[in-house]
Amino acid sequence: DSGVTQTPKHLITATGQRVTLRCSPRSGDLSVYWYQQSLDQGLQFLIQYYNGEERAKGNILERFSAQQFPDLHSELNLSSLELGDSALYFCASSPAGRSTYNEQFFGPGTRLTVL
Amino acid sequence: DAKTTQPPSMDCAEGRAANLPCNHSTISGNEYVYWYRQIHSQGPQYIIHGLKNNETNEMASLIITEDRKSSTLILPHATLRDTAVYYCIVRVGGYGGSQGNLIFGKGTKLSVKP
Repeated sequence: DSGVTQTPKHLITATGQRVTLRCSPRSGDLSVYWYQQSLDQGLQFLIQYYNGEERAKGNILERFSAQQFPDLHSELNLSSLELGDSALYFCASSPAGRSTYNEQFFGPGTRLTVL
Repeated sequence: DAKTTQPPSMDCAEGRAANLPCNHSTISGNEYVYWYRQIHSQGPQYIIHGLKNNETNEMASLIITEDRKSSTLILPHATLRDTAVYYCIVRVGGYGGSQGNLIFGKGTKLSVKP
């Protein structure tokens, strides 16, 4: 158990719909990352937040957005869903403070199926 | 970030050492070598990292060549539960919010057989 929690575990929805994935980082971690893993693209970085502010963006579609709240939990919003958005979505968190490590702790993921 | 090259798959007998190689010939002086693994569809799990010295922890050992152009992850006594995809990632370090995202390649699928 990494200490990172994600809800829901599974989500089945239809094309065109909107969903929200939720992530709670480990206690004390200020950074939250979102990754997408699909069969053909592998693990892809989407976006990073640090203490409520966006820090880095990867291959995140305009239909997707995220935010990190004052209590440090994060939500990933996916809208106008397409079949190709079906994937595993992972959230990860990393420790704050001075560290040269990139140790990230991953949650169990949310499996999204778009029908 | 430096690119890494790993074999797509490897087999290992249970109880034997698993040696997973990684080439990173374009690594820069301030880049670390990180290893993560992903068991089935679980979230990736951090294993170990190093800069230029060999490192060991309770999970594995990391051997980095003197020129830092390649490294080997060693699982000393592989078990069936070590069957996973292993990712070698090269990345600069960072502080707090500057710790960057991880860039995953295709990794090596390690199959530990009885």
